[in-house]
Amino acid sequence: DARVTQTPRHKVTEMGQEVTMRCQPILGHNTVFWYRQTMMQGLELLAYFRNRAPLDDSGMPKDRFSAEMPDATLATLKIQPSEPRDSAVYFCASGFRDQPQHFGDGTRLSIL
Amino acid sequence: QQPVQSPQAVILREGEDAVINCSSSKALYSVHWYRQKHGEAPIFLMILLKGGEQKGHDKISASFNEKKQQSSLYLTASQLSYSGTYFCGTEIYGGSQGNLIFGKGTKLSVKP
Repeated sequence: DARVTQTPRHKVTEMGQEVTMRCQPILGHNTVFWYRQTMMQGLELLAYFRNRAPLDDSGMPKDRFSAEMPDATLATLKIQPSEPRDSAVYFCASGFRDQPQHFGDGTRLSIL
Repeated sequence: QQPVQSPQAVILREGEDAVINCSSSKALYSVHWYRQKHGEAPIFLMILLKGGEQKGHDKISASFNEKKQQSSLYLTASQLSYSGTYFCGTEIYGGSQGNLIFGKGTKLSVKP
C-alpha cells in the first residue's frame, strides 16, 4: 500500500535551533497538508498545497515557520528559531479534494 | 469555526452502541470522519458530501444533515478495536477547497 512518509519520526533539540521536517506524499496526490497536534489545541492545519502551489498558510506563525514544496515528491516544514511551545506532533497528509486524506506517521518534536 | 464534537468521551462494553455528534456553526460542504489510536496517525473512516447522505462501513455508519449543519457517527455492536479518538473534519461552504477544520475529538474506550 502506498504511504505518506515523514522524516524524522522523532526530534529533540534545544530552543533556538532550526528544525526541518520532510514529507513524501503518495505519488499522484495533488494536495499536501501540514498539521500540528497538541493535547490542548487538537489537530490544527498549518498549511497546504495543491499542485505544489501554497493555498493557505494562515494557520502558521509566519515569523518562524515556513512551508515549501520544491517538487511533487517532497514537502518541507521548517521552524527557525524553534521554541518550547512548538513541541508537538507534526503530521503531513496527502490526497485529493473530496477524497480521504492519508496521514503520515508524524514527527514527534520536543524543543528543550 | 471549529466544529463541536459530543460527547468528549464515552466508555462502552463490547457489543454496545455509540453515537458521536459533530456540529458546525457554518454551512458545510463536507464532513470527514477519522479515528486515531494513541501514538498513531489518524485513519480515514468515511466522507459525507451531500446533505442527508448516509454511509456505512461494516458496523460503522454516518449521516450528514446539511440543514442542521451536523453529522453523526454511529458505531454498532462495538468491538475492542473501535477504541480510539474519533475526529470529524469539516469543509465549510465558501472556504478554502479541501481545507478541513477538525473538532477536538471524542475519546471512545471499549471494555471487554
